[in-house]
Amino acid sequence: AQSVTQPDIHITVSEGASLELRCNYSYGATPYLFWYVQSPGQGLQLLLKYFSGDTLVQGIKGFEAEFKRSQSSFNLRKPSVHWSDAAEYFCAVGAKDSNYQLIWGAGTKLIIKP
Amino acid sequence: GAGVSQSPRYKVTKRGQDVTLRCDPISSHATLYWYQQALGQGPEFLTYFNYEAQPDKSGLPSDRFSAERPEGSISTLTIQRTEQRDSAMYRCASSSDRVETQYFGPGTRLLVL
Repeated sequence: AQSVTQPDIHITVSEGASLELRCNYSYGATPYLFWYVQSPGQGLQLLLKYFSGDTLVQGIKGFEAEFKRSQSSFNLRKPSVHWSDAAEYFCAVGAKDSNYQLIWGAGTKLIIKP
Repeated sequence: GAGVSQSPRYKVTKRGQDVTLRCDPISSHATLYWYQQALGQGPEFLTYFNYEAQPDKSGLPSDRFSAERPEGSISTLTIQRTEQRDSAMYRCASSSDRVETQYFGPGTRLLVL
């Protein structure tokens, strides 16, 4: 069955420290991969996406993610977090074979320590 | 419009009542999606439209749920005879094409008492 796993429900990071949020997927087809962020009271905002080509993708707000097919992973990274990065982060997967319907992870809540 | 808007932002209703949620997508976008997001979970696909056509309703949890987009722009999601398990955030998104980025509205938080 198709699924997306975000193993960390919460992550706490000190301001200025580096960040890595994990995402693993189980998908039969060649996936399209997304990271979205949800800030309190806001809609989901796209951070970055991978469709094809270079497996290291750059996104907004200084985020990047690397697609590793051998590990079925698409982890999100940021070298130095800011207090404004506190939010909930969602990984999602879609594919042409499934009409591009997105399958979502349960989300990881990022808490920033001052 | 400039972004995806949804109304109402919050809706409290009693079990057994019908509710209708509205989504106004980005004006140039052909494709519109509805998702349901339970507390502590990621969004789950309900249905999508390509203009006024509704090619996929597979995610609608029961026949109490229906959606329409009669003129290919604004869409409504109606839940009939609401049940407490329908309490969730309902999210709408639009995109210029199915393969492209989905832009989300702020969501409607539904609470069924």
